Amino acid sequence: SQQGEEDPQALSIQEGENATMNCSYKTSINNLQWYRQNSGRGLVHLILIRSNEREKHSGRLRVTLDTSKKSSSLLITASRAADTASYFCATFHSGTYKYIFGTGTRLKVLA
Amino acid sequence: DAGVTQSPTHLIKTRGQQVTLRCSPKSGHDTVSWYQQALGQGPQFIFQYYEEEERQRGNFPDRFSGHQFPNYSSELNVNALLLGDSALYLCASSSLGGSGGPGELFFGEGSRLTVL
Repeated sequence: SQQGEEDPQALSIQEGENATMNCSYKTSINNLQWYRQNSGRGLVHLILIRSNEREKHSGRLRVTLDTSKKSSSLLITASRAADTASYFCATFHSGTYKYIFGTGTRLKVLA
Repeated sequence: DAGVTQSPTHLIKTRGQQVTLRCSPKSGHDTVSWYQQALGQGPQFIFQYYEEEERQRGNFPDRFSGHQFPNYSSELNVNALLLGDSALYLCASSSLGGSGGPGELFFGEGSRLTVL
């Protein structure tokens, strides 16, 4: 079964708006990553945040992590049509030494 | 520097047949993980190979097996194919890290398997 659950499942916004998607997980983690997938293609790494970090930035991306609530959020600012893709969170567990992916958020940015 | 390469990109099989998918990891990476992604779903972890051994395994039946070669490349074999095995099979490579994790996973473009 999936470890992470993304919310919302689908999101449609206008170009220039901000997009926020959330990820919840069930057990303690060592790090959490966000990946992007264009339709039917491989996944591309966006950002990694470790369990002792609360916030990270990378360009137009901002990720937060709340380990007490077992949740993370990904904010894409000033969205572009090219940001249209599916976004997945992946949690890493040192006990099992594997990454578990969530169900994904399908983002559509309208030009 | 080539990234992760997978072959074949597409293939069609019939129920009961066997399939072998191949993956070459990114240069410098020693760990290969395989994922199955059904349409509209997130990637599901199949197994991970390190030092030519299966290190971790997800909830997949024994019909799914793999191998890692001394050059770190890997194969995924699926026997007795079922219609439900139709999916995108993704290979991801990484470097073995410490307790904090191996860091970023680098994915190939996947092999799309259709079982008729």
